[in-house]
Amino acid sequence: DTEVTQTPKHLVMGMTNKKSLKCEQHMGHRAMYWYKQKAKKPPELMFVYSYEKLSINESVPSRFSPECPNSSLLNLHLHALQPEDSALYLCASSQDFPGGINYEQYFGPGTRLTVT
Amino acid sequence: GQQVMQIPQYQHVQEGEDFTTYCNSSTTLSNIQWYKQRPGGHPVFLIQLVKSGEVKKQKRLTFQFGEAKKNSSLHITATQTTDVGTYFCAGSRDTGRRALTFGSGTRLQVQP
Repeated sequence: DTEVTQTPKHLVMGMTNKKSLKCEQHMGHRAMYWYKQKAKKPPELMFVYSYEKLSINESVPSRFSPECPNSSLLNLHLHALQPEDSALYLCASSQDFPGGINYEQYFGPGTRLTVT
Repeated sequence: GQQVMQIPQYQHVQEGEDFTTYCNSSTTLSNIQWYKQRPGGHPVFLIQLVKSGEVKKQKRLTFQFGEAKKNSSLHITATQTTDVGTYFCAGSRDTGRRALTFGSGTRLQVQP
């Protein structure tokens, strides 16, 4: 199984709402990632978890709060978002986080988030 | 910080024509990966290059890593409509921040 699943597929939330995005993989990967992608732009790295510990936070605003409950699950908690946070949020996983050579990343289908 | 640029931003070709996208990094890379994202889809890994001057082929796709490990290219021979999508290179450095930095992407449209 080389699939990364994400829920929900679409999310519309108001600026005062609290919501969570979920990501799951069953490939035994020890690294998981959150990316943000705006239309016609490349994915921008937000967070990297390696062995369930936060390894990289790309200076993401605190209204985005990641959580890695176990090696298969990754959550992104959202609170008090702004309209400019509307984007496709992609989760990815890889065998490990270097180290040395990068391992290929498997991306989920993404959650399309609209903040109103 | 590290920047990875791709040219062209967009290319429209007739089916059967060749296509090339170029990727240039502001810093030396330890390795480079290529991903394809279909319209409405998510990035899918194509290949990784590690060695200076490395060339790899996948059917009609040819990938090259520059001698200085600061640039790369993807060439598609005889494009097909199934090649439509955005092609991203993504590289990481030898030291310091090792996470992938994605290039700006090249969007390919193929006219049947």
